[in-house]
Amino acid sequence: KAGVTQTPRYLIKTRGQQVTLSCSPISGHRSVSWYQQTPGQGLQFLFEYFSETQRNKGNFPGRFSGRQFSNSRSEMNVSTLELGDSALYLCASSLRSPGSRENIQYFGAGTRLSVL
Amino acid sequence: KQEVTQIPAALSVPEGENLVLNCSFTDSAIYNLQWFRQDPGKGLTSLLLIQSSQREQTSGRLNASLDKSSGRSTLYIAASQPGDSATYLCAVSGGSYIPTFGRGTSLIVHP
Repeated sequence: KAGVTQTPRYLIKTRGQQVTLSCSPISGHRSVSWYQQTPGQGLQFLFEYFSETQRNKGNFPGRFSGRQFSNSRSEMNVSTLELGDSALYLCASSLRSPGSRENIQYFGAGTRLSVL
Repeated sequence: KQEVTQIPAALSVPEGENLVLNCSFTDSAIYNLQWFRQDPGKGLTSLLLIQSSQREQTSGRLNASLDKSSGRSTLYIAASQPGDSATYLCAVSGGSYIPTFGRGTSLIVHP
């Protein structure tokens, strides 16, 4: 069974541009979560989608948005990029619904975004 | 607001040693706690998940314990190997269902 696939693996953008990252969950998984990882802040939760609906959102500005498609694939978009958006963006999928006590998350390898 | 602390931040040990990594959290109203490992530049791999009603979980050479009342979890690694070198993170999930991660313990096991 294929794991969580994130594309692209690396991205270089300049300030002010926008970027879209893609995540394909494990087959059968309906929950997808996004995280930002930086050396300064560690791993921070961005948002979670289940059955095409955003179920939870972290404390990030509105420039960060996402969506989930009917096949559970998810995209996240960052508009008006800032230098501080440089980070490893991780996607995780899980089989069970959000809030389940057995909600084991499976992570992709991440997209490394560099903003110049 | 939940805060998760991991001690030590970094650890370097010779092969064969038994290790204990610590994770503490401020809000004991959690649903579960999960331990992950992360290899450099890669995503996270789930190691063990402990539900709030459980006290410990074991997988191979790994054993994780949970003491909700004191807000602590430990990850015990038996007979460490160079392949165990990675960063270990713990994450707790509570009423908001949003997991809070610690900053991790960077482990190096040298031959």
